[in-house]
Amino acid sequence: GENVEQHPSTLSVQEGDSAVIKCTYSDSASNYFPWYKQELGKRPQLIIDIRSNVGEKKDQRIAVTLNKTAKHFSLHITETQPEDSAVYFCAAQLSWGQNFVFGPGTRLSVLP
Amino acid sequence: GAVVSQHPSWVICKSGTSVKIECRSLDFQATTMFWYRQFPKQSLMLMATSNEGSKATYEQGVEKDKFLINHASLTLSTLTVTSAHPEDSSFYICSARGGGAGYNEQFFGPGTRLTVL
Repeated sequence: GENVEQHPSTLSVQEGDSAVIKCTYSDSASNYFPWYKQELGKRPQLIIDIRSNVGEKKDQRIAVTLNKTAKHFSLHITETQPEDSAVYFCAAQLSWGQNFVFGPGTRLSVLP
Repeated sequence: GAVVSQHPSWVICKSGTSVKIECRSLDFQATTMFWYRQFPKQSLMLMATSNEGSKATYEQGVEKDKFLINHASLTLSTLTVTSAHPEDSSFYICSARGGGAGYNEQFFGPGTRLTVL
């Protein structure tokens, strides 16, 4: 089955700096890659996603890039703010409507 | 976005008892609901997928007789942890997906923290 790896497991950045989280997936048939943010004690919430027919997608300070050949995708957060501190999970999906396979998560700390 | 609720938000029970957790989609019909288990500082591990009106599909290693899942309506799925033991203590979280070909996003519930003494 699909396996998703995520690095780094923890990341600390100074406020205003950029943060990059990288994920790799094993099944080349996966075609949808969402990113979720989970604040302490709260539910995961979708922040951005990308389909396999797109190489990059941007939404204000966050962007996601996808390299299908290498089977990896990355989350980029620019101008980080303290409220960006959370655990971020990447995920991969084999086909529409099926379950997501989540990566192990990255704990991002934005230091003031 | 769509709203998913879970009840209870936390529960403490004695070893050997059964606990039922409800997952409700409040403002949409969820043809598919997913149940995850999350240990502290770890990822979301899929336990099972349930489709309204049919039996749940369990992931490898998940005991279906221990974790009973019922998805009797388009807005409600339940997870019953039977004969709970301390090792079942965890954070259980559901997600719901709307019906139809146009729906793929999963909306998560707030989770239920189960502590088995």
